[in-house]
Amino acid sequence: DAGITQSPRHKVTETGTPVTLRCHQTENHRYMYWYRQDPGHGLRLIHYSYGVKDTDKGEVSDGYSVSRSKTEDFLLTLESATSSQTSVYFCAISSVGRMNTEAFFGQGTRLTVV
Amino acid sequence: KQEVTQIPAALSVPEGENLVLNCSFTDSAIYNLQWFRQDPGKGLTSLLLIQSSQREQTSGRLNASLDKSSGRSTLYIAASQPGDSATYLCAAGGSEKLVFGKGTKLTVNP
Repeated sequence: DAGITQSPRHKVTETGTPVTLRCHQTENHRYMYWYRQDPGHGLRLIHYSYGVKDTDKGEVSDGYSVSRSKTEDFLLTLESATSSQTSVYFCAISSVGRMNTEAFFGQGTRLTVV
Repeated sequence: KQEVTQIPAALSVPEGENLVLNCSFTDSAIYNLQWFRQDPGKGLTSLLLIQSSQREQTSGRLNASLDKSSGRSTLYIAASQPGDSATYLCAAGGSEKLVFGKGTKLTVNP
């Protein structure tokens, strides 16, 4: 397994509360990604990072923010959780460069907003 | 904007059958095409990566092909087994990110 750890693996939170999900890698890969997976929608990119403090938005970034202060950690924050953010969140890494390489995924975080 | 489509959404076959899963993409300017497997409640496992300059990749009973000009990739599974039951996802790799199809849920019946 690629060295990717997501925490927590499961979380139940109340509407309006802030939530932070963590992705930690031991591979020293440059690129890190946050996706959400929902029935009928598949995997959709939320935000990604191409280096320390370098991030960009994906297709469903509203209501989410990210931070990357170290190569190994990529944090996803829901500033004020809503029920529509109930989902399974996946972190991925890749050493994307001129020749894109494989992407590896974490085991996911199941988030329920009640 | 890249869009990736996988047909069929679900497939049920008897054990031992050879099968093909299809993936199409709208923008042929891809860097690579990657196939993943996802078991229920689990993360994604990378199966095969085809670089844009390649036509196919093989791993065991799996063979993936890529035709950039037609915007298509196929995943061929030989001699299917019940353990192959899972959802298979393809993803088109751009310069910085992957765009996923919604997957094909495969059931192999003993």
